[in-house]
Amino acid sequence: AQSVAQPEDQVNVAEGNPLTVKCTYSVSGNPYLFWYVQYPNRGLQFLLKYITGDNLVKGSYGFEAEFNKSQTSFHLKKPSALVSDSALYFCAWGDNAGNMLTFGGGTRLMVKP
Amino acid sequence: EADIYQTPRYLVIGTGKKITLECSQTMGHDKMYWYQQDPGMELHLIHYSYGVNSTEKGDLSSESTVSRIRTEHFPLTLESARPSHTSQYLCASSEYFPGGMDTEAFFGQGTRLTVV
Repeated sequence: AQSVAQPEDQVNVAEGNPLTVKCTYSVSGNPYLFWYVQYPNRGLQFLLKYITGDNLVKGSYGFEAEFNKSQTSFHLKKPSALVSDSALYFCAWGDNAGNMLTFGGGTRLMVKP
Repeated sequence: EADIYQTPRYLVIGTGKKITLECSQTMGHDKMYWYQQDPGMELHLIHYSYGVNSTEKGDLSSESTVSRIRTEHFPLTLESARPSHTSQYLCASSEYFPGGMDTEAFFGQGTRLTVV
């Protein structure tokens, strides 16, 4: 089955350090990949997406993600973490066949001062 | 801020009651979705719609039903609530381009439902 996977339930990072939240995909054809963030008691907010073109995608709040076809990955990164980045992060995939956006299991990011 | 609204934000209700969770968007989006979110945070698609008079079941079987009489409105109804329906329900919408990629989805703030 086509899917995205987030291998880590939780990632702990010290403030000021770089952060990476991992996502791998198992999707045929050209996947459209997304990252969303969910703050406590809130809905999901769109961060960034990869459709085509440059493998490095820049998004909101200083986040970026790198599409790596050979490793089938789309890891979310930020050079310097903030405590306010602590939230749930979801990777998702879609396609141009009208299929619904399908989410990974989520990763909880904890940034400690 | 996305223009998609869910009411109520929180609801505690007794077993056997009928409830409707409201979702409205003012972006004119054709596609709308309902997701159920586990306490462990995983999201499951339970219903979606391509537009007016279109409703489809998602990946996760649900006893809820939906309707889409107006573009902006996508309510979810439980005829007889049970404790197993306790969850967070998230509504979302996106623009739909047949044969092309939809826009990113915009989410409401969610309804946290507790059935006692």
